[in-house]
Amino acid sequence: AQSVTQLGSHVSVSEGALVLLRCNYSSSVPPYLFWYVQYPNQGLQLLLKYTSAATLVKGINGFEAEFKKSETSFHLTKPSAHMSDAAEYFCAVSPRRTGANNLFFGTGTRLTVIP
Amino acid sequence: KAGVTQTPRYLIKTRGQQVTLSCSPISGHRSVSWYQQTPGQGLQFLFEYFSETQRNKGNFPGRFSGRQFSNSRSEMNVSTLELGDSALYLCASSLTSGGAGAGELFFGEGSRLTVL
Repeated sequence: AQSVTQLGSHVSVSEGALVLLRCNYSSSVPPYLFWYVQYPNQGLQLLLKYTSAATLVKGINGFEAEFKKSETSFHLTKPSAHMSDAAEYFCAVSPRRTGANNLFFGTGTRLTVIP
Repeated sequence: KAGVTQTPRYLIKTRGQQVTLSCSPISGHRSVSWYQQTPGQGLQFLFEYFSETQRNKGNFPGRFSGRQFSNSRSEMNVSTLELGDSALYLCASSLTSGGAGAGELFFGEGSRLTVL
């Protein structure tokens, strides 16, 4: 069964500091992996997606994530946090060989940016 | 280009009642998926419709049902409401149901259901 684990339900960083949000996946076959962001009182927005084309994936708003098969990880990073990055971030996995839009989401990491 | 529109945004029901939620996808999107979001269980997949056919179904009881119309608009229905059905119900549309566009979901702002 596919699943993702997000380490740390809350992460706080100072404005301008590195953002690192952790995600590990569990899948028997190479999956599609995603990061979504949810701002307060809004739906989710796709940040980036991994489909095996490249291990380093660049997304919107300066975020990127690196797929590491040996570590079964897909951590999200941003070199310099901005106040507008404060939100909840979800890692998600979709099995490649079955229905593609039935994503399995992690429990989320709430990012706080301290001015 | 208009985004995904969900109605109603907020609603309050009592136990035993039923509720119907509506979702209008982005123009041209033929896939509509529904997710339930709660503090305890997080985001859970309910079902996906593509071209009026249910493509996938999550692990929810039969009280949860959905349908899709020829214009791709979708509705979900929950019958015999229970307190535990209180949640944010999110609709997401996508161009495809598989292939290269897999998982690229565009979410609405959700319908927040409170069951008393």
